[in-house]
Amino acid sequence: EVLLVESGGGLVQPGGSLRLSCAASGFTFNDFEMNWVRQAPGRGLEWVSYIRGSGNTIYYADSVKGRFSISRDNAKKSLYLQMNSLRAEDTAVYYCARVWHGVAGQYDYWGQGTLVTVSS
Amino acid sequence: SYVLTQPPSVSLAPGQTARMTCGGNSIGSKSVHWYQQKPGQAPVLVVYDGRDRPSGIPERFSGSNSGNTATLIITRVEAGDEADYFCQVWDSTSEHVVFGGGTKLTVL
Repeated sequence: EVLLVESGGGLVQPGGSLRLSCAASGFTFNDFEMNWVRQAPGRGLEWVSYIRGSGNTIYYADSVKGRFSISRDNAKKSLYLQMNSLRAEDTAVYYCARVWHGVAGQYDYWGQGTLVTVSS
Repeated sequence: SYVLTQPPSVSLAPGQTARMTCGGNSIGSKSVHWYQQKPGQAPVLVVYDGRDRPSGIPERFSGSNSGNTATLIITRVEAGDEADYFCQVWDSTSEHVVFGGGTKLTVL
C-alpha cells in the first residue's frame, strides 16, 4: 500500500523557517517524481514545487522561489521542503503528492497534509 | 502565466449529469487531470489524461478535452459526489504546474 505521511508543520512567526518532511512507503521511492502542493484556508490548491526522482530537476512556483527549497533522500524514502522567510500568506495545509511518471503526469497519491501557520 | 478557469459552483439534483468545465488556452493539447476534494480530506485523482479513470473510480466519472475547454462529466450524480473539483495541467512554457480555482459541486 502506498503511503505518504507529512510532518513538521506548526506555528511559526513571520520571517521564520520550517522544514517539512514526507515519509514514503509502499513503492520504489526513487522511481517517482514528487511534488509539494498547498492549500490556504478556504482556498484552492496551489502547486509549490516539483523534484525528479534523481533530484536533478527541480521547479518552483514563483510565489516561493528563492525562499523554499525542495529536496529528497532516496535512501530514507523521504521528501523535504525547507521554508525560509515565511510570510502570513504561506499559511496553508501542505501536501506531498506522488507524480505518475513525467512532469506532466497526474498526482496519484497524496499525503494527509500538515498545517503551517505563519503568525505573530 | 498559464491560467485555468473553472466556474465557482455547480448545483444539480441527484441522478442528473454534472459537467464541470476547465478553460485554458489550447488546453486540448495538454494532459488534463481532475481531482475531487471533500471537506477535511486530501484530494483524490478521479480522471487523468483528459478522460481516463484510475482504478477504484466509478465509471460515472469521465472527461473530455478539446480546443480551449476540458470537461469533467459525472453521470447519475449522488450525494456522495458533493465536493470541490480541481483541474490541473503542466505548462511547459513557464515550467509550472497549474491548478484551476476549483468548482464546488452541490447535490440538491
